[in-house]
Amino acid sequence: NAGVTQTPKFRVLKTGQSMTLLCAQDMNHEYMYWYRQDPGMGLRLIHYSVGEGTTAKGEVPDGYNVSRLKKQNFLLGLESAAPSQTSVYFCASSYSKGTIIRNEQFFGPGTRLTVL
Amino acid sequence: GQSLEQPSEVTAVEGAIVQINCTYQTSGFYGLSWYQQHDGGAPTFLSYNALDGLEETGRFSSFLSRSDSYGYLLLQELQMKDSASYFCAVRGLTGGGNKLTFGTGTQLKVEL
Repeated sequence: NAGVTQTPKFRVLKTGQSMTLLCAQDMNHEYMYWYRQDPGMGLRLIHYSVGEGTTAKGEVPDGYNVSRLKKQNFLLGLESAAPSQTSVYFCASSYSKGTIIRNEQFFGPGTRLTVL
Repeated sequence: GQSLEQPSEVTAVEGAIVQINCTYQTSGFYGLSWYQQHDGGAPTFLSYNALDGLEETGRFSSFLSRSDSYGYLLLQELQMKDSASYFCAVRGLTGGGNKLTFGTGTQLKVEL
């Protein structure tokens, strides 16, 4: 199993450009998440999904949109990128049962985004 | 909501024992978890405490005291490869989706 994969790994955008980050998981997990990680800030939840066709806002949702059209994929969109969105973006997934008891999430390798 | 506090940096020598503390404020939660993240890498799950007490997994142990709103990660027989950032995390009682709130992380530097 590949686990959780993210594309692209790196990206540089100009202010105002748009892009979509793709997350895919092959573990048949129900729940998926998008986080951003900034120096000294830890991981902050942007949006999450508890199943195909459902999404919800996390702690820092402004400026981002998400879609979960298929169970294995979770897309994060930036409609008009801003320098404040320069960050490392991590996707994660978890079971709806079993390892949810352990608060265990499985993370992808991350996307390093720079907005100039 | 929840908030978690950790020291920003801890330094220790190879072979030693180090303790990384985590204090939290939450109205209720489903236990305390710990994640490890090497530079440039993804966070990976290390341990979980649902109840008060010590949980041991090899060289790593984790402790929780709900009455003190406090937990810690204990790393024994430190190795250079343990140099990484360590995050504590909680899942709140409200809301669904196994959402986690993470601390700001502790960077552990292991020296020779």
